[in-house]
Amino acid sequence: SQQGEEDPQALSIQEGENATMNCSYKTSINNLQWYRQNSGRGLVHLILIRSNEREKHSGRLRVTLDTSKKSSSLLITASRAADTASYFCASDYSSASKIIFGSGTRLSIRP
Amino acid sequence: DTAVSQTPKYLVTQMGNDKSIKCEQNLGHDTMYWYKQDSKKFLKIMFSYNNKELIINETVPNRFSPKSPDKAHLNLHINSLELGDSAVYFCASSQGLAGGPLETQYFGPGTRLLVL
Repeated sequence: SQQGEEDPQALSIQEGENATMNCSYKTSINNLQWYRQNSGRGLVHLILIRSNEREKHSGRLRVTLDTSKKSSSLLITASRAADTASYFCASDYSSASKIIFGSGTRLSIRP
Repeated sequence: DTAVSQTPKYLVTQMGNDKSIKCEQNLGHDTMYWYKQDSKKFLKIMFSYNNKELIINETVPNRFSPKSPDKAHLNLHINSLELGDSAVYFCASSQGLAGGPLETQYFGPGTRLLVL
């Protein structure tokens, strides 16, 4: 299977704390994306990081990419209740013109 | 205003029936996709079309047949529904092909299919 794996599968933290999710993938990529899925909804794109980038920020989100380890992490700082959702990484396989989604991390923010 | 829309939102049907799910995007994108999300939340690509041309056809039973009448629409027809087809089906679109510079995908709200 080409699916990526995410770690942890589930994460529960207190509001205001930081949340870190990790993603590993299997083959060389051009870029990696992170998406959020609220319960019962479609996925929403959060951030894209290219293979020649090591770190990217967007608001309270920070994404890192380590191509030597074939892994990425998503950090959400100062978490809020509205951050409760599932988070998926998606790595592209340009030769196949498709992106492969990881298994997702279910994040719960406790008030 | 909805960028990517799907109908119906819910679909409950008996085994053996034939059903269709429709998808429309008003973003002017060239590429559209169908994904299946199972009960464990794994999201797997099924098909993608670029400018009405089939690009990706994953290992999907031939009971599933996509149709793209124009680049704004990608419908999914399923024949002889089976219990294992129960899942959430998501349509998505992107400006370009995956791996290219315009590959961020925009997802529809999903169609929850339950086969009894």
